[in-house]
Amino acid sequence: NAGVTQTPKFQVLKTGQSMTLQCAQDMNHNSMYWYRQDPGMGLRLIYYSASEGTTDKGEVPNGYNVSRLNKREFSLRLESAAPSQTSVYFCASSTRQGVTGELFFGEGSRLTVL
Amino acid sequence: RKEVEQDPGPFNVPEGATVAFNCTYSNSASQSFFWYRQDCRKEPKLLMSVYSSGNEDGRFTAQLNRASQYISLLIRDSKLSDSATYLCVVRGDSNYQLIWGAGTKLIIKP
Repeated sequence: NAGVTQTPKFQVLKTGQSMTLQCAQDMNHNSMYWYRQDPGMGLRLIYYSASEGTTDKGEVPNGYNVSRLNKREFSLRLESAAPSQTSVYFCASSTRQGVTGELFFGEGSRLTVL
Repeated sequence: RKEVEQDPGPFNVPEGATVAFNCTYSNSASQSFFWYRQDCRKEPKLLMSVYSSGNEDGRFTAQLNRASQYISLLIRDSKLSDSATYLCVVRGDSNYQLIWGAGTKLIIKP
């Protein structure tokens, strides 16, 4: 019962470094998402992929890029990390194009940018 | 004004008590509403959807008040395991965009 798997779970970067967060789901879901969660704020959508082969910007896409590698995998890349990108990042997936509102989340990746 | 607002709490409640909290939303055209639960340092998980007619699942009841633009969550006979942060979620303009409240923290005390 893996569900949604994210790696790494923890990462510390220096300003200007790059990294990629990996996400994979084994539930045959069409849609995948990347969110960030900051203290005192609701989850904010960074990018989403409605289906394999498509990606779209969410609420806070600046400083990030994504790749929907195949139906299972959706990665998030920080090309030049900034302290403002210190956050907890969640990958999620959903079936039926998100209609039901149920997202299945990974355990999160805690990123600190110094 | 935030699109989805919640009292951050914490609500400190004795075990066995009933607790309720609300969430207000700004877009009167919103059609879909949800409550998620998030345990400390864990991922959010769907607790229940909120229908126009209300929704009950065991000890949990969710209500929608469109006129006043809020949804509520009532927890009866609260358990220690109910301690968590409850996130209010409203669907945005597309099926893919959910607008999340910052959450209400609930602590159930023995």
